Amino acid sequence: AQSVTQLGSHVSVSEGALVLLRCNYSSSVPPYLFWYVQYPNQGLQLLLKYTSAATLVKGINGFEAEFKKSETSFHLTKPSAHMSDAAEYFCAVSGGLTGGGNKLTFGTGTQLKVEL
Amino acid sequence: NAGVTQTPKFRILKIGQSMTLQCTQDMNHNYMYWYRQDPGMGLKLIYYSVGAGITDKGEVPNGYNVSRSTTEDFPLRLELAAPSQTSVYFCASSYSHTDNEQFFGPGTRLTVL
Repeated sequence: AQSVTQLGSHVSVSEGALVLLRCNYSSSVPPYLFWYVQYPNQGLQLLLKYTSAATLVKGINGFEAEFKKSETSFHLTKPSAHMSDAAEYFCAVSGGLTGGGNKLTFGTGTQLKVEL
Repeated sequence: NAGVTQTPKFRILKIGQSMTLQCTQDMNHNYMYWYRQDPGMGLKLIYYSVGAGITDKGEVPNGYNVSRSTTEDFPLRLELAAPSQTSVYFCASSYSHTDNEQFFGPGTRLTVL
């Protein structure tokens, strides 16, 4: 069984400040981990993914995440927030499905607000 | 490439009505998925398919049915709509079942009254 916990359903930062969105996972197999972003009234868009290569993963729009096995964490960061970063962010973990398809288990999401 | 497309974008149903949510992808992906998204709950997997003719239940399949007659299409059927099915529905597809990067459609917002 696999699960994801996102700490903080709402995070507010000032423009130019550090963004830190937290994600902890539980998985019985080596995980693949993902961060998705959802802008209002849109589908989910992949920000970045960890697939057991480098532990520091760089994604789009200046975001990055670090896989820490000892802490079972995959926190998302961005050095300087922009107004355009305001959105909902989902962490997801991938494990196995019987019969082939690979299930993504999503966290409950973190709404990021960026203030002037 | 259009990616993953979904129709309709919005729909209001009365209790007991039925409808089909359409999903099409043009990326030749074998794997396709249906999720529902409810506020504060993340995304829950309804059904998935690993290829044409093969489907299986996800976490929350009750009240829904799917079929997969072609690689491109993966419609979701609601037979007897209930207020509990009010949600936003997303279709997704992926090429690889290993790293499983999924590509999402824009969603269908369904209200059952």
